[in-house]
Amino acid sequence: DAEITQSPRHKITETGRQVTLACHQTWNHNNMFWYRQDLGHGLRLIHYSYGVHDTNKGEVSDGYSVSRSNTEDLPLTLESAASSQTSVYFCASSAQGYETQYFGPGTRLLVL
Amino acid sequence: GQNIDQPTEMTATEGAIVQINCTYQTSGFNGLFWYQQHAGEAPTFLSYNVLDGLEEKGRFSSFLSRSKGYSYLLLKELQMKDSASYLCAVYNNAGNMLTFGGGTRLMVKP
Repeated sequence: DAEITQSPRHKITETGRQVTLACHQTWNHNNMFWYRQDLGHGLRLIHYSYGVHDTNKGEVSDGYSVSRSNTEDLPLTLESAASSQTSVYFCASSAQGYETQYFGPGTRLLVL
Repeated sequence: GQNIDQPTEMTATEGAIVQINCTYQTSGFNGLFWYQQHAGEAPTFLSYNVLDGLEEKGRFSSFLSRSKGYSYLLLKELQMKDSASYLCAVYNNAGNMLTFGGGTRLMVKP
């Protein structure tokens, strides 16, 4: 069955370190998204991509970057982790346009 | 910009009916989604409305009024497993982005 996976599921890192969170989908979806979820803020969009080599900034993109070298993967990189980036990160994908987004299981990141 | 409002918390009794409201302000509306999210898990798709009216899917129904910027999710015959957060999200045609409300945490009591 097609799916969307994220790794690692849990990560503890130190302030200033570079961290990469992986997202892989096997639906062959064009669109992929990264969100963070914090208490009191709901889901906020970090970056998104509408296809290979396409990336766009979302609402809270500062301190994060993404690259899309193939259809299946959209890794999220925290250039220099900060305590404010402690959060739960969700990856999502959709086929195209305004279609339903399907979410991965999430990555819990703690920055000490 | 967009603004999506929904109540923070609601409590209801097992077997009852509950209505979760969502109001939004957006330019270029292109659909409204409801997601369910159990604690510690990913959001899962419940319903999608792009035209006015009621969409029914088993115990869950979702209503949309585009002129009023209003939607509700109706849950019937509540079960304990319905205790979860319910997220309202709106698509607009400026950047094709989905914007989420803060979510409504529903607690179902026996």
